[in-house]
Parts: sequence; C-alpha cells; structure tokens
Amino acid sequence: AQSVAQPEDQVNVAEGNPLTVKCTYSVSGNPYLFWYVQYPNRGLQFLLKYITGDNLVKGSYGFEAEFNKSQTSFHLKKPSALVSDSALYFCAVSSEKLTFGTGTRLTIIP
Amino acid sequence: AAGVIQSPRHLIKEKRETATLKCYPIPRHDTVYWYQQGPGQDPQFLISFYEKMQSDKGSIPDRFSAQQFSDYHSELNMSSLELGDSALYFCASSPGQGGWSDTEAFFGQGTRLTVV
Repeated sequence: AQSVAQPEDQVNVAEGNPLTVKCTYSVSGNPYLFWYVQYPNRGLQFLLKYITGDNLVKGSYGFEAEFNKSQTSFHLKKPSALVSDSALYFCAVSSEKLTFGTGTRLTIIP
Repeated sequence: AAGVIQSPRHLIKEKRETATLKCYPIPRHDTVYWYQQGPGQDPQFLISFYEKMQSDKGSIPDRFSAQQFSDYHSELNMSSLELGDSALYFCASSPGQGGWSDTEAFFGQGTRLTVV
C-alpha cells in the first residue's frame, strides 16, 4: 500500500522569506510524486511532479521540490514567499491511482 | 486551453434523494477519476475509468455508482443520500493507460454537494 504524510497541518511564513512544506511517502517500487495546490472554493491545481531524473524538480509559480530517496521525502520549497501563495497544499504519490496527503495550509504573512 | 468541466458546481439535496454529478474530461483524455473531499479533509479516491471500463475502485459506497460513456464523459450517481455525503466531489482526467506514472492529472473545479 502507498501512503503520504504531511506532518504539518499549518505553516506560517513571512512574506519574502523562504518556505518549505514537508512531505514523506511510502510506496513499493519507484515513486511518482506530485504537489497540488488548492485555493479556496477551487479545484486542485498541479504544481510539479517527480518521475525520474534530477532530484530537484521545478514547477509552477516559482515552486520547486527536492526528492530525497534515502529520507523518502519530497518537500516543497520556494525561495521567497508571496502573500498569494497562501493556500492548501497537497502532496500525492501514485501507482495506479493518486493518493493524497492530508494537506498543509500555508499562510504567508505580509 | 480546455479544462475538466464538472456540473453542476453546486447541488443541494435532501436526505434519501438521489444526485447525479457529471464530468467532462479534457479532449483526448481517456481516463477519468472521481474523488470525494469532505470538509477539512484530503481528497479520497472513489473510482476510476479507462476507455469506458472501470479501472480501479476505492472507498466508494455501494449507494454510489458511476460510468464512463462513449464520449468519455463520466457520471457519478448517488442514491439514498446521507448527511455525511456532503462534500466536494472532484473529477480528474488524464491521458494514457489508466495510470499516473508519466502524466499529471487535471482536476475540475469540483461539485459541492450539500445534503440537508
């Protein structure tokens, strides 16, 4: 069985500071990992994915994520946070279906 | 670019009624997934279809059924509605062989179902 853990329900970051949203995973075989963002009353929007290749994956809106096989982690990062980044972020792992983490609410403080 | 279209966007039903949610995938996407997101919860996988055949089944209640039609749109039918069915229902579509391995899923805006 595959699973995803997002250990932080809430992350607060000051505008302009770097942000990290944590994700660890458990899956047999090679992982396919994704990050999605959900704004209030909106659908899930794809940010980035890791399939294979470079451990540092760059995605939409200046986000990036680092795949770490030894730590089974796929943390989402951004060098300088914007207030508009405030949203709910979901990490997900896939084999035949996508399994989501419980989500992390990111709040950027002006 | 065309996105995944879900209808209706909002739906209010009474207990024990039935509801039908529709999903229109991105053109040339042959795989459709349904997810349920309860208040403050992460999305939970319900069911998926590839080329009009059910490809996987998750935590979908027996009161729910779904199908994918020849034009690849999908409908989620929900009967004997309960208060606990109130949630945001997402549809997603992807191209490929029914798996996520090399594609990302494109999600619709969701249908917010409220059961009163």
